[in-house]
Amino acid sequence: GQQLNQSPQSMFIQEGEDVSMNCTSSSIFNTWLWYKQEPGEGPVLLIALYKAGELTSNGRLTAQFGITRKDSFLNISASIPSDVGIYFCAGNNAGNMLTFGGGTRLMVKP
Amino acid sequence: DGGITQSPKYLFRKEGQNVTLSCEQNLNHDAMYWYRQDPGQGLRLIYYSQIVNDFQKGDIAEGYSVSREKKESFPLTVTSAQKNPTAFYLCASSNLGSYEQYFGPGTRLTVT
Repeated sequence: GQQLNQSPQSMFIQEGEDVSMNCTSSSIFNTWLWYKQEPGEGPVLLIALYKAGELTSNGRLTAQFGITRKDSFLNISASIPSDVGIYFCAGNNAGNMLTFGGGTRLMVKP
Repeated sequence: DGGITQSPKYLFRKEGQNVTLSCEQNLNHDAMYWYRQDPGQGLRLIYYSQIVNDFQKGDIAEGYSVSREKKESFPLTVTSAQKNPTAFYLCASSNLGSYEQYFGPGTRLTVT
């Protein structure tokens, strides 16, 4: 089946640093979504992207829909301890179904 | 408050028993989904339903069954045929035609 590759798999950063993570695929996607999951909870939708090249922000988070339509990027500026969690990308290229990446685990040192 | 509820939060069962996980939403969403999440991994689709009384298999439907008798409810039964049932189960819903899925808090199932 289709796969979304997220990198890095994990990050351990100092509070205040900026964070970048990405999601790539061998297939073209029409929609990219970014979710955050905290331990023992369900994922929460952060940002949805619908057009190639689109850049969308949500507070300190900024995500981009890659122009090749095969990748997406998420940046977090000035990280804080509550940014800790697993960040998942998800893509759609047919029907209502989403394909999820394996996640990037973010740890923030105060 | 609109949202998705899953119950219970934790569930323990003996091997060989069927178990049903509850998922209810009051978002008036037409589509509902069940995912399975294993430690350190992404989400895999078990079943989905886009309309009452209709549902489709996802990528890993074997050993699971669902029903969709009401728009707001989409229970998942983990049967004894599921070889590795211990996992974190997530329910989600969306408006029909929307890619934005909203998740419940999950049920952690442990089978021993």
